[in-house]
Amino acid sequence: DTGVSQDPRHKITKRGQNVTFRCDPISEHNRLYWYRQTLGQGPEFLTYFQNEAQLEKSRLLSDRFSAERPKGSFSTLEIQRTEQGDSAMYLCASSPGTDEQFFGPGTRLTVL
Amino acid sequence: DQQVKQNSPSLSVQEGRISILNCDYTNSMFDYFLWYKKYPAEGPTFLISISSIKDKNEDGRFTVFLNKSAKHLSLHIVPSQPGDSAVYFCAASSGGGTSYGKLTFGQGTILTVHP
Repeated sequence: DTGVSQDPRHKITKRGQNVTFRCDPISEHNRLYWYRQTLGQGPEFLTYFQNEAQLEKSRLLSDRFSAERPKGSFSTLEIQRTEQGDSAMYLCASSPGTDEQFFGPGTRLTVL
Repeated sequence: DQQVKQNSPSLSVQEGRISILNCDYTNSMFDYFLWYKKYPAEGPTFLISISSIKDKNEDGRFTVFLNKSAKHLSLHIVPSQPGDSAVYFCAASSGGGTSYGKLTFGQGTILTVHP
C-alpha cells in the first residue's frame, strides 16, 4: 500500500499526558499537512511542511502542539499536557505540489 | 468565521436518481475547489475538483458545477448508487502563494442512497 499511513490509529490518554502521532506520506510528496476534525465538522488546517520546513501554523495550534518533519520524510505531531478539548481525529495529508491532497486514515485521540 | 458552508447536513436519495450536494463560500480569494468523500474510520478520499477558470468539470458519474458570481458550487452524482453513501466534504484553496494550498473545508453532508 503506497498511500498515506498514520500511527497509531487510536489513542486514549489521561488529561495532562503527552502524546505523539506519526504520519508517513506518499513517497516523493514534498508537501505535508496536518488537520484536526471534530464531530460534525470538516477538517481544520493545523500546519504545513514543504520538505522539512514548517512554513505555516494555524492559530489553532497552541504552544502545547509541536510538529516536525525531519529529513522531509515522515512527520510527527506532539501534544503536551493534553486537555479534553484536544479529543479529535488528527488527519495527515500529503501532496506532490498539486492542489489535490491525499489523506491518511487519521489518528483518533480521546482524552479522559 | 465559516468560509465554506454546506448547509444541508444530510441528503437521502433513491438508487438510480440524481444526488445534488451544495456548497457556498465567502472568500473571493479561493480559486480551486475540491470534493472529498469520507467513509467511517477512513480519511477523506479525493473525488473531483474544479479550477475557478472553469464552470464545469465532469468525471464519470460525478460532475461539479461552479458559479463564481454566486460563490456557489454543487456536486451532481448520476446515477446514484448505494456505495455512494458517505459523508461528502466541499473544500476550497487559494492555490499557491502564502496559503501553500491549504484546504478550507465545509461541515460535510451525509449522503444516503437507498436501494
